[in-house]
Formats: sequence, structure tokens, C-alpha cells
Amino acid sequence: GENVEQHPSTLSVQEGDSAVIKCTYSDSASNYFPWYKQELGKGPQLIIDIRSNVGEKKDQRIAVTLNKTAKHFSLHITETQPEDSAVYFCAASMGGAQKLVFGQGTRLTINP
Amino acid sequence: GAVVSQHPSWVICKSGTSVKIECRSLDFQATTMFWYRQFPKQSLMLMATSNEGSKATYEQGVEKDKFLINHASLTLSTLTVTSAHPEDSSFYICSAVKTGTTEAFFGQGTRLTVV
Repeated sequence: GENVEQHPSTLSVQEGDSAVIKCTYSDSASNYFPWYKQELGKGPQLIIDIRSNVGEKKDQRIAVTLNKTAKHFSLHITETQPEDSAVYFCAASMGGAQKLVFGQGTRLTINP
Repeated sequence: GAVVSQHPSWVICKSGTSVKIECRSLDFQATTMFWYRQFPKQSLMLMATSNEGSKATYEQGVEKDKFLINHASLTLSTLTVTSAHPEDSSFYICSAVKTGTTEAFFGQGTRLTVV
């Protein structure tokens, strides 16, 4: 089955700097790659997603890139703000939101 | 739009009792819902796929007789943890896929503590 590896497990950046989180997946049949933000005691919130027919997608300060050949995808957050502090999860699936396989999570801390 | 509500947000129950967790899609229909379990500082692990009007599909290692799932309508799925034990204590999260789309929306989670 699919296996998703996420790095780093923790990331600390200065406010205003950029943060990058990387994920690799194992199954080349996976075609949907969402990123979720989870705050303490809450459920995950979709922040951006990308499908395998696209190499990059951007939404304001957030961007995701996908390299199908290397089977990895990354989340880029620019101009980080304290409210970006949270745990971020990547995921992969073979059919939209069906049976998502999650990465291990990255705890992002933005230092003021 | 696309709000998924779980109830209760937290529950404490005694060992041996059963507890029911509800997952509702408030403003959309969801033919498919998923139930996840998350231990502290860990990732989400898929427990089962719940399809409206049919039996749930459980992931390997998840006891279907212990975690009963019912998806009787297009807006409600329930997870019942039967004969709960302390090791069942966890954060349970549901997600609902908007019918006709491939987007999943997550509930806020339910923290279950079995004492």
C-alpha cells in the first residue's frame, strides 16, 4: 500500500521567513496530494491540494509543488506569521479524498 | 460552507461501557465519510470508510465488532466504541466527502478518555 514520509518532524522559523515541508510517497498511482493544518485539539483543515496533472499550485502565501518522477511534493509558506504555527500534515491518495494516507506531521513554530 | 460537526467534542466513559460519536455534514451531502484515530503527537490513521446505506469497510487490524459504524443518511455517520477500554482512549476524527466532488472536510474531533 501507499506510504507517505514527511520531513522535518519539527520546524522553527523566524516570523517573516519562509518554511518548507517535504513529503515523499511510494505508490506512483497516487494522484491527489492535499496539505492540512491542525491546531491543538482540533480537526485538520485543508489548506491547499494538488493533483498529479499539475506541477505547482499557489494560493497567496502558500504554494505546493509536485515532482511525479521523484514522487515527492512540498509545501511552501512565505512571509510566515505567528498564526501559521500548527502541525501540518501531507497526504496522498489514488482518488481524490478517498482513503487518504497521511504523513507523520510537522510541528511548525513561528518565532516572533 | 462545507462544515462537518462532531459530537461530542470530548467524552469520558467508564471501562466496559459504550460510547457513540456523531459526525454530521451540516451544509452538504456526503455519500462517503471516513473515521480516523489519532494518538498524541502522531498522525491520523484511517479506521474505516463509511458509505451511506451500506456496510462500512474497515482497515486491517480494526475490529469491526468493537467499532460499530452506521451511515444511515447522507449527512450523518456514527461511530460506537463498544465495551471501551483505557487503550481505546484517543482522538477520533471524521471526514466527509462532498457528494459529487473529491474534497474531504474534517470534523473538529472527539477526545475519548476511558477510565
